Amino acid sequence: DTAVSQTPKYLVTQMGNDKSIKCEQNLGHDTMYWYKQDSKKFLKIMFSYNNKELIINETVPNRFSPKSPDKAHLNLHINSLELGDSAVYFCASSYGTFDEQYFGPGTRLTVT
Amino acid sequence: KNQVEQSPQSLIILEGKNCTLQCNYTVSPFSNLRWYKQDTGRGPVSLTIMTFSENTKSNGRYTATLDADTKQSSLHITASQLSDSASYICVVSALSGNTPLVFGKGTRLSVIA
Repeated sequence: DTAVSQTPKYLVTQMGNDKSIKCEQNLGHDTMYWYKQDSKKFLKIMFSYNNKELIINETVPNRFSPKSPDKAHLNLHINSLELGDSAVYFCASSYGTFDEQYFGPGTRLTVT
Repeated sequence: KNQVEQSPQSLIILEGKNCTLQCNYTVSPFSNLRWYKQDTGRGPVSLTIMTFSENTKSNGRYTATLDADTKQSSLHITASQLSDSASYICVVSALSGNTPLVFGKGTRLSVIA
């Protein structure tokens, strides 16, 4: 009965590789998000999707491409991984942009 | 520029004591203010959400206050427990603009026996 789930939980990969992180929510929410939390524990929003449409795209390199096949899923694909991409990535969902957000457990990405 | 500043950056208190965390913001136009608790290795969990018209909101031993005039909020934790050790993040939502959610950097609270 997990509300927001992410896979994988840990991801270790080399520079230059392409990887994807998957997110699913079973709360019936219309809005989903991707956040990046760096080593200083600062949470920063990357993307927000509402009903499969992009509504926020912060200044994120275009190597990062979110994909929303349906409103319950928001996957994050990263091309040409760089050392600076190492962080914990959190998926979240909410009914609307101004409503309470529920976060997933996070995916720790380490780029070597 | 929309900003959220939290203080202190970190705090250590004895179990059973009370503490108060501060959040000042410059986000405008204001929609709501949220406090999240993030345990180590986990995603943030919402504690409270307050709109412009709400001055205080409680969630168990957590009480948040909001002064929309001075653009300040506080999170008061009563009778702290070891499990309160976490980061507490203040997030302010704007009614419009490209960055509707503005995050503070959090306060790291450690409760010790």
